[in-house]
Amino acid sequence: GQNIDQPTEMTATEGAIVQINCTYQTSGFNGLFWYQQHAGEAPTFLSYNVLDGLEEKGRFSSFLSRSKGYSYLLLKELQMKDSASYLCAVMDSNYQLIWGAGTKLIIKP
Amino acid sequence: GAVVSQHPSWVICKSGTSVKIECRSLDFQATTMFWYRQFPKQSLMLMATSNEGSKATYEQGVEKDKFLINHASLTLSTLTVTSAHPEDSSFYICSATSGRDTGELFFGEGSRLTVL
Repeated sequence: GQNIDQPTEMTATEGAIVQINCTYQTSGFNGLFWYQQHAGEAPTFLSYNVLDGLEEKGRFSSFLSRSKGYSYLLLKELQMKDSASYLCAVMDSNYQLIWGAGTKLIIKP
Repeated sequence: GAVVSQHPSWVICKSGTSVKIECRSLDFQATTMFWYRQFPKQSLMLMATSNEGSKATYEQGVEKDKFLINHASLTLSTLTVTSAHPEDSSFYICSATSGRDTGELFFGEGSRLTVL
């Protein structure tokens, strides 16, 4: 079956760095997405990786290793507004998105 | 960036009535639109995938006759919850893509449905 695993909840301190991991087992692979979702709002796109390596976009970076079925989202210089759920999703061979359950990130002052 | 507009944002209705939610892509042609529902503290659950001009593909367990999806144009898809019941109360979200190679989905703002 298809499976996306990510931690349920993480806590970090304002100004620090946090890494949210995602491992996946899917029928084929056409890219991995990270989305941010604040409570009560729709998800917003953060990143898309289809090739191995690190993609940096401001304070956020996303890494992919296709051979390991592994990705992480790295958040630097954490701000209180970064408190949200972070969703990992993989597009399979049928171009269907398989969603992880999300990681709730709690930022403490 | 691309914008997807969803309407209404909030809707409260009586049990047994039908509710229509619209999803529009404002500045691009959406060949494919997705409809999700999300219960509190849970991830998105894909309900159906709709391609313009063809019937929607529903996920297992989603009732086609209860959740009617129409994707009549490249910029509009609608979800109609027919004969709504309290257990249908949820957050419904649409997303759209212009094609397989764009690498990005654009989400609507979501519609919170409460059925009394």
